[in-house]
Amino acid sequence: AQSVTQLGSHVSVSEGALVLLRCNYSSSVPPYLFWYVQYPNQGLQLLLKYTSAATLVKGINGFEAEFKKSETSFHLTKPSAHMSDAAEYFCAVAYNQGGKLIFGQGTELSVKP
Amino acid sequence: EAGVAQSPRYKIIEKRQSVAFWCNPISGHATLYWYQQILGQGPKLLIQFQNNGVVDDSQLPKDRFSAERLKGVDSTLKIQPAKLEDSAVYLCASTAAGLAAETQYFGPGTRLLVL
Repeated sequence: AQSVTQLGSHVSVSEGALVLLRCNYSSSVPPYLFWYVQYPNQGLQLLLKYTSAATLVKGINGFEAEFKKSETSFHLTKPSAHMSDAAEYFCAVAYNQGGKLIFGQGTELSVKP
Repeated sequence: EAGVAQSPRYKIIEKRQSVAFWCNPISGHATLYWYQQILGQGPKLLIQFQNNGVVDDSQLPKDRFSAERLKGVDSTLKIQPAKLEDSAVYLCASTAAGLAAETQYFGPGTRLLVL
């Protein structure tokens, strides 16, 4: 079955430090890949997506992610964390059949001053 | 452009009661999704509509959950009777055509607590 694994349910970084959130998918067919962010009591907002163009994808708020087929990974990074980055982050995949999103379990990012 | 609208934002009911949620997608979007997000988990698809037809309802507990999108615009999700394990956030999303590469736009969700 197709699935998404996010390593680490909670990640804590200091303000100004590198942010690295890990995502791996299980599929022999490369999917479309997404990162969404969810702030408390809000819906999900797209950060970035990979749709088989450039493997390094830049998104909003200074985030980027690199698709690595050999590692079946799509890790999310940001060079310097800001307090406003504190939120829940979800990695998701979609395949050509229907377009539904399959989500990982989420990673809560905390940013310490 | 207005986003995806959902109501109510919060609902508290007792088990075995019924409840309904409403979603109005972005204007012109043909595809509408309902997801269930249990605390500490990622959202899980319940049902997908293309216009007023069902594309995927394989994970919808049909003995208690139902959904409709009669005119191909707004949609209603109903639970009857509710169980404790239905406590979750119910998210609605929409896309223009339902293609896998499209961005899904999410509403703010309805938070349901079943006591």
